[in-house]
Amino acid sequence: QKEVEQDPGPLSVPEGAIVSLNCTYSNSAFQYFMWYRQYSRKGPELLMYTYSSGNKEDGRFTAQVDKSSKYISLFIRDSQPSDSATYLCAMSGVSGGSNYKLTFGKGTLLTVNP
Amino acid sequence: SQTIHQWPATLVQPVGSPLSLECTVEGTSNPNLYWYRQAAGRGLQLLFYSVGIGQISSEVPQNLSASRPQDRQFILSSKKLLLSDSGFYLCAWTSGSTDTQYFGPGTRLTVL
Repeated sequence: QKEVEQDPGPLSVPEGAIVSLNCTYSNSAFQYFMWYRQYSRKGPELLMYTYSSGNKEDGRFTAQVDKSSKYISLFIRDSQPSDSATYLCAMSGVSGGSNYKLTFGKGTLLTVNP
Repeated sequence: SQTIHQWPATLVQPVGSPLSLECTVEGTSNPNLYWYRQAAGRGLQLLFYSVGIGQISSEVPQNLSASRPQDRQFILSSKKLLLSDSGFYLCAWTSGSTDTQYFGPGTRLTVL
């Protein structure tokens, strides 16, 4: 079983739709969870950062972590064509460690159609 | 604010030629630095990371090497490129107090 599983898509939605992106993981030591957005031919940019279980909201984006189910989600409300990108989940186990390595999902390609 | 630079942006090299990719970070000191390769359908593969000058950890065996000659400079090298070295190379940094990594713009390498 891979440490982090993420459906690669592609996912195509109409403008204004609510988008749900998900990752599952197997390592119960993961405590820190991130979502990155990567536009074509660009480097990933950090969207959301959450610690442990719960929800975090930032504008149209909501990150949700369910540690009991080992499941994380990113919701995008009122999706826009500019949201079209690949979304990568990432996680780590021990903050304050000497190397801060992250484990990434393979990414989900999202297209929002006008 | 912190900024991360990578160059070149695009590179086309013949098989067997050498490689040198450079990454520099501005606006922070003593960052952790990372080299990743991203190939289509394979996600982000961590190649090397460094927690300080001259300290390099390798994650996968390959014909690539990394060096950190200065605090905010990270170099990825190869003596002889293989076709399988083609990909999108990303440099990232993190401070000493957070797990979040910040990525550079990347270098797209094509080996012919």
